[in-house]
Amino acid sequence: NAGVMQNPRHLVRRRGQEARLRCSPVKGHSHVYWYRQLPEEGLKFMVYLQKENIIDESGMPKERFSAEFPKEGPSILRIQQVVRGDSAAYFCASSPDRGYNYNEQFFGPGTRLTVL
Amino acid sequence: LAKTTQPISMDSYEGQEVNITCSHNNIATNDYITWYQQFPSQGPRFIIQGYKTKVTNEVASLFIPADRKSSTLSLPRVSLSDTAVYYCLVGDRAGANNLFFGTGTRLTVIP
Repeated sequence: NAGVMQNPRHLVRRRGQEARLRCSPVKGHSHVYWYRQLPEEGLKFMVYLQKENIIDESGMPKERFSAEFPKEGPSILRIQQVVRGDSAAYFCASSPDRGYNYNEQFFGPGTRLTVL
Repeated sequence: LAKTTQPISMDSYEGQEVNITCSHNNIATNDYITWYQQFPSQGPRFIIQGYKTKVTNEVASLFIPADRKSSTLSLPRVSLSDTAVYYCLVGDRAGANNLFFGTGTRLTVIP
C-alpha cells in the first residue's frame, strides 16, 4: 500500500517565481490537508480539501496561496510570487471517510521549499 | 482546540522507559488525546490515541488520569531509533480536520 506521496521532495525557487507542490493521498482517501512547518517549530494547518471542494482554508494566507484537489489527479498547493519567508517544509496528509481513530491523518514526507 | 503543554526536550539512555507528560487543563468532554511522532525530515506519524484510563499498542502506552487534565506517553525500553519529536494533540471529532501541533517534545536517546 502506497502512503501519501509528495513531489518534489525539494524545490528551489527565486523570489517572484511560482511554486507548485503536489500531493497524492493514500488510495481511497478523499480528505487532504496541507501543513507548513518552519525550522524548530510544529506544523501549522493551512487548508483542508475534500475532492474538488475547499472545506477549511482558515490557515491559508489570503494572498499568493491557493490549493486544489481535482476529481482526477493529485492535490496541488500553489504559491505565487514566492518570498524568502515562504521557505519551509510543506506537508500533505490524508484521511479516509471513516477512520479507526479520530484525529488520525497520514502524512507524506514533505516538500522542502527554499526561496533564494 | 484545547491548548497543550509539554516539555521542550528530554534525554534518555537506551533501554530505559521514557514517560512524556502533556498538560491539557482545558480539555473538553468530547476531546480525545492523540500523540504523533516525527523523525527528522519526515512527516508526523500517528502513535496512539485515548480518551480515558490506559491504552496500549505495539508502540507505546498512554495513561490518562480520571480528570483528563494531563496524559503521559510511555515508551518502553527506548532505542536510538526512537529519537524524534513527540506531539500531544487534543481535540474532538469536529476538530479532526485541523490538527494543532505545538512545538512538541524533542526526545534524544543516548547510547
